[in-house]
Amino acid sequence: KAGVTQTPRYLIKTRGQQVTLSCSPISGHRSVSWYQQTPGQGLQFLFEYFSETQRNKGNFPGRFSGRQFSNSRSEMNVSTLELGDSALYLCASRAGTGMGETQYFGPGTRLLVL
Amino acid sequence: AQSVSQHNHHVILSEAASLELGCNYSYGGTVNLFWYVQYPGQHLQLLLKYFSGDPLVKGIKGFEAEFIKSKFSFNLRKPSVQWSDTAEYFCAVIPTMTTDSWGKLQFGAGTQVVVTP
Repeated sequence: KAGVTQTPRYLIKTRGQQVTLSCSPISGHRSVSWYQQTPGQGLQFLFEYFSETQRNKGNFPGRFSGRQFSNSRSEMNVSTLELGDSALYLCASRAGTGMGETQYFGPGTRLLVL
Repeated sequence: AQSVSQHNHHVILSEAASLELGCNYSYGGTVNLFWYVQYPGQHLQLLLKYFSGDPLVKGIKGFEAEFIKSKFSFNLRKPSVQWSDTAEYFCAVIPTMTTDSWGKLQFGAGTQVVVTP
């Protein structure tokens, strides 16, 4: 099976802009989780989607949002970008039927905010 | 608050040396445990996982980990490392009995391992 894919791989934006990142899960997986990875804060959970519903959300401001489509593909959006939003954004997929299932990660989207 | 602690941030060792990376978590209920590895320029990959059963689990590339419930620990080991084991290693935990855990892996800060030839 093909792995988790994320597009774009790299992005450069300026403060105040917004950005949309995309994630395609492994075929048959219905759950997608998003994480932010930074050198200072490490890996932090953003949110999780299953069957087009957000089931869980991390401690991030409302500028961070997401959605999931009927084919399980997911997008996350960050509005009014700040310098501190520069990070690697990771998407992980799993079957979705169990809370503690193994998550499989994509290569990430590296966002640089200038 | 739940947390995951990795004991070392940086480890430097020579090829053929043994590796042990510590991981402790603070959560009293049932958890699933994972070790992920991030090789330079690559994405996070699963090394091994523990859900239940034998507390000694074997993963890919000769890695193993031992779950000690009484110590809330899940330490990673490899008897003899290779230069290709140079990577960052992350311990991750997810409680399995609370609704606010859906899809929420809690990661340790990571340990950067450098293996010198």
